[in-house]
Amino acid sequence: DQQVKQNSPSLSVQEGRISILNCDYTNSMFDYFLWYKKYPAEGPTFLISISSIKDKNEDGRFTVFLNKSAKHLSLHIVPSQPGDSAVYFCAASDPGSRLTFGEGTQLTVNP
Amino acid sequence: ETGVTQSPTHLIKTRGQQVTLRCSSQSGHNTVSWYQQALGQGPQFIFQYYREEENGRGNFPPRFSGLQFPNYSSELNVNALELDDSALYLCASRGQDEKLFFGSGTQLSVL
Repeated sequence: DQQVKQNSPSLSVQEGRISILNCDYTNSMFDYFLWYKKYPAEGPTFLISISSIKDKNEDGRFTVFLNKSAKHLSLHIVPSQPGDSAVYFCAASDPGSRLTFGEGTQLTVNP
Repeated sequence: ETGVTQSPTHLIKTRGQQVTLRCSSQSGHNTVSWYQQALGQGPQFIFQYYREEENGRGNFPPRFSGLQFPNYSSELNVNALELDDSALYLCASRGQDEKLFFGSGTQLSVL
């Protein structure tokens, strides 16, 4: 039972363009959502988060959108840079503060 | 730099053996969680400790156990290792908000 799904295992974009990473969830108890970035041989690095009471949160080039009715969130990166190439994980937190992760999307930004 | 350090970085064990993985988290972070990340998957929640007591557990058997100490260090113990236990084990600590900060992980190989 995959409660958090990232349906695109990989995404390739050109430098300077927008990257859009998508995530769907099924559990209505999730109340906080996070995006993490992971490089090989490193642990996940926190990127940006959003509370379930909001529908948008922005931090520099990164914006997360939450659509609660559709149980969908997305991460927008504008403009994309080659250094953004990494695996991106969507995670959802329940009231017990345990995180459920998606399977990740490998983003490749081409120069 | 997340302030979360894990040791060792790599470990090789044989089936049936026992292993102890260690984590040191940021001062003041009273919550520590452990996650298992198998190849090609997102991290899976193992358990969580708050002020030295387990306060949440994922779908892992009792041979996975843990300890948290007053000095913000913690351990993950796995008994009777199986081949499927081969994975990256991640420790994460949390302060006052919902964000988890991860260490770089311990890569465990069971032969």
